[in-house]
Amino acid sequence: DTEVTQTPKHLVMGMTNKKSLKCEQHMGHRAMYWYKQKAKKPPELMFVYSYEKLSINESVPSRFSPECPNSSLLNLHLHALQPEDSALYLCASSQDSHRIGTENTEAFFGQGTRLTVV
Amino acid sequence: RKEVEQDPGPFNVPEGATVAFNCTYSNSASQSFFWYRQDCRKEPKLLMSVYSSGNEDGRFTAQLNRASQYISLLIRDSKLSDSATYLCVVTGGEGGSYIPTFGRGTSLIVHP
Repeated sequence: DTEVTQTPKHLVMGMTNKKSLKCEQHMGHRAMYWYKQKAKKPPELMFVYSYEKLSINESVPSRFSPECPNSSLLNLHLHALQPEDSALYLCASSQDSHRIGTENTEAFFGQGTRLTVV
Repeated sequence: RKEVEQDPGPFNVPEGATVAFNCTYSNSASQSFFWYRQDCRKEPKLLMSVYSSGNEDGRFTAQLNRASQYISLLIRDSKLSDSATYLCVVTGGEGGSYIPTFGRGTSLIVHP
């Protein structure tokens, strides 16, 4: 099973709403990532969790709040977003974010949540 | 300078053609290399890992040149279904980080 599951697939929210994106993997991966992808651009890293602890925040505005309740789950809480935050939000996981050796270091991606802020 | 660079294309080729993409990376400490395929409005999916010895999977061949810091992807006998964006991904570097770093992607259009 190399599946990363994201919900919801689509989300439309107003600028005053609070919503959450969810991500789940059961591959035993200890690193999980949130990426943001705008049209015709590559994914941009937002956050990295390693062993359930936030290890990297790529200067993401505080209206995005990540949470890792356990090793299989990753959430992204959204509040007071702007229309320019509309994008595809991708969750990914890999065995580790820091590891000796080069085997099994690939990342697996969820299908993404297509977010529209109105 | 971007860490991972790719020619965005598009590469517009007829069915049956052979097409090659290159990707260069700037961090000489990089350790793992991958090609991902992304269809329009879908998530990236792992196409293949790239090893120093090179590797082949059917019509796809990937190679790594550490001395020149580039990786390549060769697609033989292109199919219409190969039309997609191909993302070069590099991991590894300072402190052994394996966080994926993406190139901007190369767009391939295969036409009849």
